[in-house]
Amino acid sequence: DVKVTQSSRYLVKRTGEKVFLECVQDMDHENMFWYRQDPGLGLRLIYFSYDVKMKEKGDIPEGYSVSREKKERFSLILESASTNQTSMYLCASSPGLWASGANVLTFGAGSRLTVL
Amino acid sequence: AQTVTQSQPEMSVQEAETVTLSCTYDTSESDYYLFWYKQPPSRQMILVIRQEAYKQQNATENRFSVNFQKAAKSFSLKISDSQLGDAAMYFCAYRPYNNNDMRFGAGTRLTVKP
Repeated sequence: DVKVTQSSRYLVKRTGEKVFLECVQDMDHENMFWYRQDPGLGLRLIYFSYDVKMKEKGDIPEGYSVSREKKERFSLILESASTNQTSMYLCASSPGLWASGANVLTFGAGSRLTVL
Repeated sequence: AQTVTQSQPEMSVQEAETVTLSCTYDTSESDYYLFWYKQPPSRQMILVIRQEAYKQQNATENRFSVNFQKAAKSFSLKISDSQLGDAAMYFCAYRPYNNNDMRFGAGTRLTVKP
């Protein structure tokens, strides 16, 4: 089974702090994603990466950056956390676009971030 | 941009009964995928069922089935013989055939009453 591991289930940070959310997958997937989940809004894509060092903006990239130095690891960075970034963050991965099973996302357990 | 709409924020069903969750989407594409994902209270999102738009036959996975109406851009999920473990948030999702842009609806919270 594909496993997507998010390093922190719960974090509490202060306004202005730099925050790192880490995600690791163990099935050699090309694609990795960061979503933000808020009640009534569903999941919104922040960034995704289709290869090492490659990234593309999603719907809500403002205030976030990402890093993918190794294929298995995709990090979400909040350079200066703000209270409106309090949310649940979900990492996901999938095989390359044309691979078998390419269209299914496998999710991590989520990271609940609270910014005070 | 493609959008996915789930018009039922909450639904409830009696154990062993059947419930249908609604989803509509908007797209100009002819080839795409549709999904239902389940997020139990533990928060791990898992795939329930998927449908390729070029397939006319509705997908089925055990007690879960879909009613895919391509012309109406509708993709509902039917859960038969509901079980307590079916209680979760259910998200409808859409993805075009040739890119990774997965779009999710706002979700429907399903409660199963014993």
